[in-house]
Parts: sequence; C-alpha cells; structure tokens
Amino acid sequence: GENVEQHPSTLSVQEGDSAVIKCTYSDSASNYFPWYKQELGKGPQLIIDIRSNVGEKKDQRIAVTLNKTAKHFSLHITETQPEDSAVYFCAASNNDMRFGAGTRLTVKP
Amino acid sequence: DSGVTQTPKHLITATGQRVTLRCSPRSGDLSVYWYQQSLDQGLQFLIHYYNGEERAKGNILERFSAQQFPDLHSELNLSSLELGDSALYFCASSVGSGRFSYNEQFFGPGTRLTVL
Repeated sequence: GENVEQHPSTLSVQEGDSAVIKCTYSDSASNYFPWYKQELGKGPQLIIDIRSNVGEKKDQRIAVTLNKTAKHFSLHITETQPEDSAVYFCAASNNDMRFGAGTRLTVKP
Repeated sequence: DSGVTQTPKHLITATGQRVTLRCSPRSGDLSVYWYQQSLDQGLQFLIHYYNGEERAKGNILERFSAQQFPDLHSELNLSSLELGDSALYFCASSVGSGRFSYNEQFFGPGTRLTVL
C-alpha cells in the first residue's frame, strides 16, 4: 500500500518568510495529492490539491509542486502570516487516501 | 464550517464498552469516509462508504464497524474498547463517484473519544 513521509515535523518561521513542507510517496499509481490545514480543535481543511497530470499549481500565497519521477511533492507558503500557524498534512491517493504525519508550522510575528 | 456534522463532540467511556459515532455528510455528497487521528499514528483512513455501500477499507480493526444509511448519514461503531482507542475520529464527505481519486473531501469537526 501507499506510504507517505512528510518533513519537517515542526517548522518555525518569521512572519513574511516562506515555508516549505515536503512529502514523498511510494505508490507510483497515486494520482491525487491534497494538502490539508488543521487548526486546533478543528477538522482538516483542504487548502490546495494537485493531480498527477500537473506539475505545479498556485493559489495566491500557496503553491504545490509535484515531481512524479521522484515521487515527491511540496507545499510552498510565501509571505507567511501568524494565521498560517497550524498543522499541515499532505496526502496521496489512488484508491486509499494516505496521510503524512503532519508538520506543525509556527509563524512568529 | 464544512457542512459535515458529527455527534457527539466528546465521548468518555470505559474499557470494554461499545460506542456509536454519527456523521451527516454535506448536502448532496454520497461518500462518507472515516478517519482516526491519534498522537502517535497521525490520520489513519478507516473505511469509505458510497451511497450505502462499502467501497474501501483501510486500517480498521475487526472490533470496529460502520454503515451508511439510506439518508446517507453514517455511523461508526466501536466495541470492546481499549485504552489505545482513545483518539479523535473524523468523518469526511465528498460528492465522489465511489473512488478516492480526484474527490475533494470535506472534514467534520470530529468526535474526541476518551477510553478510561
């Protein structure tokens, strides 16, 4: 089955800096890669996703890149703000959705 | 607010007991997924139902079972509870054609289960 590894487990940045979270997956058949943001006491919320026929996708300050050959994908957040502080999960999906272990992002004002 | 509702919000029970968690999907969504989130295991996919039928199983224990009813709400039943079952249980829904791929999932607020 699919195995998703996510790094780093914690990330602390200054407000205005960029943050990058990386994930690797094992199943070459995976074709859908969402990213979720989970704030304290809430359920995960989809923030961006990418499909296997696309290499990059951007939505305002958030971008995701996918390298199918290397089986890795990354989340990039630019101009970080304190409200970006949360736990971020990557996931890879073919028939099953498998999640990474999460990255706790802290943006210091 | 994702539109997915879960009840109860909190549940405290004892080892060996049985509990039922309930999930109502977003209006129009046919798929319901259940996940377990614990500190040492992250988000684990348990099971997926589409329009009343089981479609995929993940790391679901035999002590756990689920069903989706004709009105599309779903219940997750956990029996013979152990201390290690303490976790957050989320359900998510999607419009879904019955397959995971390409289906945006909307998560509910979760049920926090504490087994004492």
